[in-house]
Amino acid sequence: ETGVTQSPTHLIKTRGQQVTLRCSSQSGHNTVSWYQQALGQGPQFIFQYYREEENGRGNFPPRFSGLQFPNYSSELNVNALELDDSALYLCASSAGGLVASGYTFGSGTRLTVV
Amino acid sequence: TQLLEQSPQFLSIQEGENLTVYCNSSSVFSSLQWYRQEPGEGPVLLVTVVTGGEVKKLKRLTFQFGDARKDSSLHITAAQPGDTGLYLCAGWAGTASKLTFGTGTRLQVTL
Repeated sequence: ETGVTQSPTHLIKTRGQQVTLRCSSQSGHNTVSWYQQALGQGPQFIFQYYREEENGRGNFPPRFSGLQFPNYSSELNVNALELDDSALYLCASSAGGLVASGYTFGSGTRLTVV
Repeated sequence: TQLLEQSPQFLSIQEGENLTVYCNSSSVFSSLQWYRQEPGEGPVLLVTVVTGGEVKKLKRLTFQFGDARKDSSLHITAAQPGDTGLYLCAGWAGTASKLTFGTGTRLQVTL
């Protein structure tokens, strides 16, 4: 069974630009969650998608948006990048929308905004 | 807002020592998970505890869920350099759709 794959692994963007991060979920998983992790801190929940619908959102502004596709892969889009958006962005997939099953995480995308 | 505070934030010990990491909250969680994260990687699930007072053992690691389901601990016996990493607790509140992570404990085990 394949794990969670994220792309790209590293990215450098300029303040004000837009970025799209991608995630392929583990086979059999229909739920994708996105997290932002600052250096040395715990991941912060951005939002979750279940069967192509947003199923919960954390305390992030609307310029953070997402999509989930019929094959359960997902995208995270961030508009008008700010310096504070520099972080590791993690995608996690799981089976089921509301059941507390374990999450399988990807290795993340390291975003640097300059 | 459900917050999970971990202590200590950073722990540096020698191989063979024992240690305990704590995860505390004022909120009740229906289940709690522990993850370990290495540099450049995503967190990897170690264990899930769901019952108040539950104790689970995974080789040298012992996990406990508090009776009131507001806190948890991770105890490592005879730490090894391979235990080095960022340990994260994460709670699931049941009706909420998100897994809330703790602040993290960075463990360094030296020879």
